Amino acid sequence: EPEVTQTPSHQVTQMGQEVILRCVPISNHLYFYWYRQILGQKVEFLVSFYNNEISEKSEIFDDQFSVERPDGSNFTLKIRSTKLEDSAMYFCASSQGQVQETQYFGPGTRLLVL
Amino acid sequence: RKEVEQDPGPFNVPEGATVAFNCTYSNSASQSFFWYRQDCRKEPKLLMSVYSSGNEDGRFTAQLNRASQYISLLIRDSKLSDSATYLCVVTPFSGGYNKLIFGAGTRLAVHP
Repeated sequence: EPEVTQTPSHQVTQMGQEVILRCVPISNHLYFYWYRQILGQKVEFLVSFYNNEISEKSEIFDDQFSVERPDGSNFTLKIRSTKLEDSAMYFCASSQGQVQETQYFGPGTRLLVL
Repeated sequence: RKEVEQDPGPFNVPEGATVAFNCTYSNSASQSFFWYRQDCRKEPKLLMSVYSSGNEDGRFTAQLNRASQYISLLIRDSKLSDSATYLCVVTPFSGGYNKLIFGAGTRLAVHP
């Protein structure tokens, strides 16, 4: 069964460093998303991406964040200068498209900012 | 008011019990509704979509009341493997790209 994959599974970084989280969505999917979940809290939407551009972003997704689909298979989330409060689980998701299409989640990257 | 509200639990039930979870949402224009399941430190996985007419999938029954902005999930004959956090999820509009808005989840623990 096709699945969304994410690398790395864990990342530890120093405050102020840049991190890039990588995702490989399901191959025939057209819509891509990043969500995050701070430990003990709910899953929060960060950004959606379609046709090589951002469709929507939340208030969390400020200028420190960017997304890219560099090569037609990978979908990346970059955090330019990490803060302590960026520590969270980051989930990538993809869907084939249109309303009620299921979003399939990757296993997540656990980011710890020290 | 939170966009999606759920009782955090935990619900501690014996195997074989029937348990019901409720959820309310604040945006009356919400279009789609789901229950996801999340195991500890894992990704959310779709359990079932929720339709206005109500729907059933094996031991799981979901109901939607648009007038009351209320969603429910009923689990019959609970199994140990049902232990997880159940996430109520809505989408704010119809369209190709559709962000999911999650509730904080209701934790279920099924014991022998």
